[in-house]
Amino acid sequence: EVQLVESGGGLVQPGRSLRLSCTVSGFTIGDYGMSWVRQAPGKGLEWVGFIRSNAYGGTTEYAASVKGRFTISRDDSKSIAYVQMNSLKTEDTAVYYCSRWQQPAQYFHHWGQGALVTVSS
Amino acid sequence: DIQMTQSPSTLSASVGDRVTITCRASQSISSALAWYQQKPGKAPNLLIYQASSLESGVPSRFSGSGSGTEFTLTISSLQPSDFATYYCQQYYSMATFGQGTKVEIK
Repeated sequence: EVQLVESGGGLVQPGRSLRLSCTVSGFTIGDYGMSWVRQAPGKGLEWVGFIRSNAYGGTTEYAASVKGRFTISRDDSKSIAYVQMNSLKTEDTAVYYCSRWQQPAQYFHHWGQGALVTVSS
Repeated sequence: DIQMTQSPSTLSASVGDRVTITCRASQSISSALAWYQQKPGKAPNLLIYQASSLESGVPSRFSGSGSGTEFTLTISSLQPSDFATYYCQQYYSMATFGQGTKVEIK
């Protein structure tokens, strides 16, 4: 069974950093693209970025709103995907979901349950 | 960047109604469009991909159509479990979601 479980969320002050983890099971993480999608309270879905599968070079892409501040990575040996979030802003407050996609088409069959990140002083 | 615009933002309907939601792309995305259903406090659930392909396990009352810049999601006979928010998503270039359509009980 495919499972994705996010962890690492919490309350953080503006300007600080936080790293979210997405631990997967039921598949080989390097064989798939992994994305992060967020949802601010009461708002819609916003794509954050992705890391491509190893077959597609494992490269990353980001939304303009987070480029230069967020970094997505993956540890294949641990079956974990990460998003390192630096210079956090209050507008980064959201539930962050990780999701899996089959290259080359970035639509999401499988999602985690989400991790809440609150950026506030 | 490709922008996705859904309409309506809110839709009031009754059980058994036929419901249609529209999604427009700011440029052609061929058939690179997916539809999701989301219920409060839950992750989205994939309904349709490649504009018209039904995800495994999704009831056949859901259908999708369109290509280029205009797409529709149709629920042929609304069921109680269908009251939720629906999002379109383009994956032609990176990814962009529509703003969502909330289907409410009339």
